[in-house]
Amino acid sequence: GENVEQHPSTLSVQEGDSAVIKCTYSDSASNYFPWYKQELGKGPQLIIDIRSNVGEKKDQRIAVTLNKTAKHFSLHITETQPEDSAVYFCAASIWDSNYQLIWGAGTKLIIKP
Amino acid sequence: EAGVAQSPRYKIIEKRQSVAFWCNPISGHATLYWYQQILGQGPKLLIQFQNNGVVDDSQLPKDRFSAERLKGVDSTLKIQPAKLEDSAVYLCASSLGWSGSRYNEQFFGPGTRLTVL
Repeated sequence: GENVEQHPSTLSVQEGDSAVIKCTYSDSASNYFPWYKQELGKGPQLIIDIRSNVGEKKDQRIAVTLNKTAKHFSLHITETQPEDSAVYFCAASIWDSNYQLIWGAGTKLIIKP
Repeated sequence: EAGVAQSPRYKIIEKRQSVAFWCNPISGHATLYWYQQILGQGPKLLIQFQNNGVVDDSQLPKDRFSAERLKGVDSTLKIQPAKLEDSAVYLCASSLGWSGSRYNEQFFGPGTRLTVL
């Protein structure tokens, strides 16, 4: 079946440095790629998304890039802060009688003071 | 705006027992999702409702799991009987749009952490 691979599983960066999380997807028909942030004890929350007709999208310190040819997309966080510590999930849309999201396994981001 | 509510937050049961989870979505959201999130993994869709009709339940283990969404608002997910491998966080989410719309932001509740002993 279709899947999304996410790397790394854990990422530790110094406060103020940048963090990059990468995902690859298998379904060439996928056209919507959201990123969710999950804090401890909470449900995931959408932080940014990108659609297949766009190569890059930025929102303050967060940016997402998409390479449809290579079937991979990445999340970039600049000037990391302690509140960025969380688990980040990427996802890709698929069509299987209904649109649904296939999720990556998650990346635990640790911001070191 | 109130978020997605779920209860209980935690549940511990023994295998072969039954358990039920409740979800109240954001007011006006037509689509409701139940996900299973096993530790260290991403959410896995179990069932998706459009109002009170089932749109997708292809990954729901129907021999033991059941779900309903009466009156197109609240939903309950039941497991009977539970197995050890059902230990996970069960997340409920809702979105505004119809299932045929591709780009609907999903809003998640805090989840119910189930431990099966």
